[in-house]
Amino acid sequence: DIQMTQSPSSLSASVGDRVTITCRSSQTISIYLNWYQQKPGKAPKVLVKAASSLQSGVPSRFSGSGSGTDFNLTISSLQHEDFATYYCQQGYDMPQTFGQGTKVEIK
Amino acid sequence: QMQLQESGPGLVKPSGTLSLTCAVSGGSISTSDWWSWVRQPPGKGLEWIGQIYHSGYTNLNPSLENRVTISVDKSKNQFSLKLNSVTAADTGVYYCARREYQVHMGEWFDPWGQGTLVIVSS
Repeated sequence: DIQMTQSPSSLSASVGDRVTITCRSSQTISIYLNWYQQKPGKAPKVLVKAASSLQSGVPSRFSGSGSGTDFNLTISSLQHEDFATYYCQQGYDMPQTFGQGTKVEIK
Repeated sequence: QMQLQESGPGLVKPSGTLSLTCAVSGGSISTSDWWSWVRQPPGKGLEWIGQIYHSGYTNLNPSLENRVTISVDKSKNQFSLKLNSVTAADTGVYYCARREYQVHMGEWFDPWGQGTLVIVSS
């Protein structure tokens, strides 16, 4: 299985901050990397597909980058509604695997 | 707008069988997409369980494949999950989701059901 490792596991930030979350895969996955946002008690919601393609309806303050084994999700200016847990997921090979999550908390 | 809704018992006894159904509305299950199950233990991350195509062909996570059955009922526009020989480690929220795929972009899960909590306990 392809292992996905996110860093940090959690972070504290203020409204307006720029935040970057990193995801690393145990083998190359080209651009087949997706990012999800999950709020407490809710299902995950896809934010970014194929490393950098923003899902329809997702605010432009979210962006994704990377290829191969190293990927980033950046929130350019953190808003109140962005405090959540973020997961990366590789769509390159089965079984599809997820990172362990990054919890973004209010400072 | 497509919606998915999980249903099934919220409590299963150890060594028993967990059975869930996912009803799809706002679209047909007989498309080029696959239909997946994902689970999340309390306070932990996400684990893909498996997926099914409308033809009945399945892909399963090797870590669970000896205990998992996924089936589809096209007449009811729904698909189902059975997980047998459950233990406390199988406790968690179970989600169904559509697996979307596009050439040169890979695959992702969207939309998701709201999830259903299943507790394994006597």
